[in-house]
Amino acid sequence: GAGVSQSPRYKVAKRGQDVALRCDPISGHVSLFWYQQALGQGPEFLTYFQNEAQLDKSGLPSDRFFAERPEGSVSTLKIQRTQQEDSAVYLCASSDYYEQYFGPGTRLTVT
Amino acid sequence: DQQVKQNSPSLSVQEGRISILNCDYTNSMFDYFLWYKKYPAEGPTFLISISSIKDKNEDGRFTVFLNKSAKHLSLHIVPSQPGDSAVYFCAARGDSGGGADGLTFGKGTHLIIQP
Repeated sequence: GAGVSQSPRYKVAKRGQDVALRCDPISGHVSLFWYQQALGQGPEFLTYFQNEAQLDKSGLPSDRFFAERPEGSVSTLKIQRTQQEDSAVYLCASSDYYEQYFGPGTRLTVT
Repeated sequence: DQQVKQNSPSLSVQEGRISILNCDYTNSMFDYFLWYKKYPAEGPTFLISISSIKDKNEDGRFTVFLNKSAKHLSLHIVPSQPGDSAVYFCAARGDSGGGADGLTFGKGTHLIIQP
């Protein structure tokens, strides 16, 4: 069956630009997570949705980061006024309960 | 401070032998542990998991052992195959109910299987 998909796979942004990253979770999965993975590190939790409700956003590094999932399916992670330290792979995962299934990620490079 | 630690950045094992990847954690509230495998330019792929009420879980060539008192878990792969070459991440989760917790990951161990 179809797994988690993310788009774009690669994004280059100039410092100060806004970007939007999309995640299509596995159909029927209630839970959706966003992670940020810096080079040489493990993924770090950003935020969690249960259906359309954002229940945990404790990992978002600043108020420039915003996530939404308006219809409880597709989710978008938006980063405003990008900075060089935002360069990372952004991973989306969906879950039916215990295991989380990851998409391929979006590699964001801020120049 | 890192709550999940994988102290070996890389590990080289001969094909056919056993690979043992180690992971330590500090947060006693973690109650579910997972191993993920990651190839370059792909997302992490779920491999195997274990609940804190168990001390062993086996799935084919993969076995995960959990020692709660030592806050230590390990992943055993036997026999190791060339396709096992990848980065392996240990991850842990608390239990606030309903699978709602984000995972806490280690930094990963790069496993290299040599022919």
